[in-house]
Amino acid sequence: DAMVIQNPRYQVTQFGKPVTLSCSQTLNHNVMYWYQQKSSQAPKLLFHYYDKDFNNEADTPDNFQSRRPNTSFCFLDIRSPGLGDAAMYLCATSSPGGASDTQYFGPGTRLTVL
Amino acid sequence: RKEVEQDPGPFNVPEGATVAFNCTYSNSASQSFFWYRQDCRKEPKLLMSVYSSGNEDGRFTAQLNRASQYISLLIRDSKLSDSATYLCVVNDPGGYNKLIFGAGTRLAVHP
Repeated sequence: DAMVIQNPRYQVTQFGKPVTLSCSQTLNHNVMYWYQQKSSQAPKLLFHYYDKDFNNEADTPDNFQSRRPNTSFCFLDIRSPGLGDAAMYLCATSSPGGASDTQYFGPGTRLTVL
Repeated sequence: RKEVEQDPGPFNVPEGATVAFNCTYSNSASQSFFWYRQDCRKEPKLLMSVYSSGNEDGRFTAQLNRASQYISLLIRDSKLSDSATYLCVVNDPGGYNKLIFGAGTRLAVHP
């Protein structure tokens, strides 16, 4: 089945230790997104790629970076995780020009910062 | 003012009950509207798109009132498996292919 896959599902890191989260998709969608979601809050968009074009949200901290080496893969790098970065990180994809702006989410990576 | 506002709940209802969730959005230029469902510690999943004329999918009915910038979701004959958080979502008219999420309304259906 076509899907959005995230690895790892759970990540524990130490304060200040860089971490990379991975997302891959078999949907062949042009657009890939990274969201941060904290408990009882709405998913917060960090950035997205339209093909290779990177679009950063104005309030996304510099600590968060992303790479998209090809259509299928997208990475989220957190250069120096702080305690406040503990959250669920969700990857999503969409295909512009389709019936709607529907986004399809991966299962998420839950990040713990010690 | 939040861009998408929802009552956080929780709504605690017995099985078989009918429950309605409301949502308001701030940007009248939004054109696409959705309800997503999110189970505890899982990812959001599309429940249904919301069309101007209103639409129904089994026990779920969604309504849109553009004049009031108001979206609703009605769940009839609630099941235990409906327990989840329901996210109201609209497109961001200022950003290509971007969505704005509400914080969600939590539903707990009990026996």
